Amino acid sequence: DTAVSQTPKYLVTQMGNDKSIKCEQNLGHDTMYWYKQDSKKFLKIMFSYNNKELIINETVPNRFSPKSPDKAHLNLHINSLELGDSAVYFCASSASNQPQHFGDGTRLSIL
Amino acid sequence: AQSVTQLDSQVPVFEEAPVELRCNYSSSVSVYLFWYVQYPNQGLQLLLKYLSGSTLVESINGFEAEFNKSQTSFHLRKPSVHISDTAEYFCAVSDPGSARQLTFGSGTQLTVLP
Repeated sequence: DTAVSQTPKYLVTQMGNDKSIKCEQNLGHDTMYWYKQDSKKFLKIMFSYNNKELIINETVPNRFSPKSPDKAHLNLHINSLELGDSAVYFCASSASNQPQHFGDGTRLSIL
Repeated sequence: AQSVTQLDSQVPVFEEAPVELRCNYSSSVSVYLFWYVQYPNQGLQLLLKYLSGSTLVESINGFEAEFNKSQTSFHLRKPSVHISDTAEYFCAVSDPGSARQLTFGSGTQLTVLP
């Protein structure tokens, strides 16, 4: 009965690879988000989708591409992974003007 | 653009002592304010929120925060902490009418010592 679930929880891969992180929410929310948390625990929003439409697109390398097949899913695909991409990536969701609910994060390590 | 300052990156405190985690935001207009808690290897959980109304908001586990518009602050307090309160605490702000664009502070690591 997890509200916001991300897979995988851990992702270890080599530089140059392409990887995807999946996110699903069962709360009936209309908005979903991707955040990046760096090694100093600083959280920054990357993308937000509302009803499958991109509404927030912060300054993120175009190697990062979000995809929302439906309101309950927001996946993050990363091409040509670099060392600096190592971080924890959080998915979140919210209903209109309500607080955001977060997943447990995906810990991405680039070798 | 909004910004949030959490003045203390680390706060060690003994069990059963009171604690205050400080948060200041940049905007002088109306805002929504939030405190989130992150336990080790977990996601963020909403602790409490201020959207409107009473300036003092409380959580179910004894934390409270007071919205102070003149000082643009939203400090988090607890009169008596437990070991289980050890976690990272994040203050966040968004514009009124939309909780979608959240700006987070840099976080405060609260460590409760026995």
